[in-house]
Amino acid sequence: GAGVSQSPSNKVTEKGKDVELRCDPISGHTALYWYRQSLGQGLEFLIYFQGNSAPDKSGLPSDRFSAERTGGSVSTLTIQRTQQEDSAVYLCASSLGAGGPHEQYFGPGTRLTVT
Amino acid sequence: AQSVTQLDSQVPVFEEAPVELRCNYSSSVSVYLFWYVQYPNQGLQLLLKYLSGSTLVKGINGFEAEFNKSQTSFHLRKPSVHISDTAEYFCAVSPTGTASKLTFGTGTRLQVTL
Repeated sequence: GAGVSQSPSNKVTEKGKDVELRCDPISGHTALYWYRQSLGQGLEFLIYFQGNSAPDKSGLPSDRFSAERTGGSVSTLTIQRTQQEDSAVYLCASSLGAGGPHEQYFGPGTRLTVT
Repeated sequence: AQSVTQLDSQVPVFEEAPVELRCNYSSSVSVYLFWYVQYPNQGLQLLLKYLSGSTLVKGINGFEAEFNKSQTSFHLRKPSVHISDTAEYFCAVSPTGTASKLTFGTGTRLQVTL
């Protein structure tokens, strides 16, 4: 079946602009994660959604970052007033449920470049 | 909190030679352990995982890893590598009792040459 998809695959934006990154998880997966992959910081957890529970936002680096998940499916990560240090690959993953045994399936990522 | 250390940022190896990619972790709670592979311009793919039971875990593409609790290690091995194994390899952990957000190591670039 279809895997996790993300759009756009590449995004170039000017410093100070807002951007929205989209993630479509695998159908039936109740858990959805956002990670950031950057040269300086490696792979970092950002935020996690599980069903209708309140999201775990503990990894968001600043209040410029927010995410929502509509209808328990598609998720949007929004970065306001982008800065150059936001340049990274943003990865989305989904899994059948919460808890470690459930494998996380990753999308191809969105490469964000802030100029 | 958890942390993962991958001491080797790059590992060059000739085709058909064996390889070991090292991973050590630190955690105050029990963890599950994972190895992911990332091919160029692609997302992460799970190679193998240790949840419980036998400490030797076999994964896809001929890779295996051994969990050593006393040394807090989870090294990845392959007896004979192929050119197509050239990729970035990430070790990761997640707590066993809570949400499975992953903590990753910094990655090891495996470069296989003829």
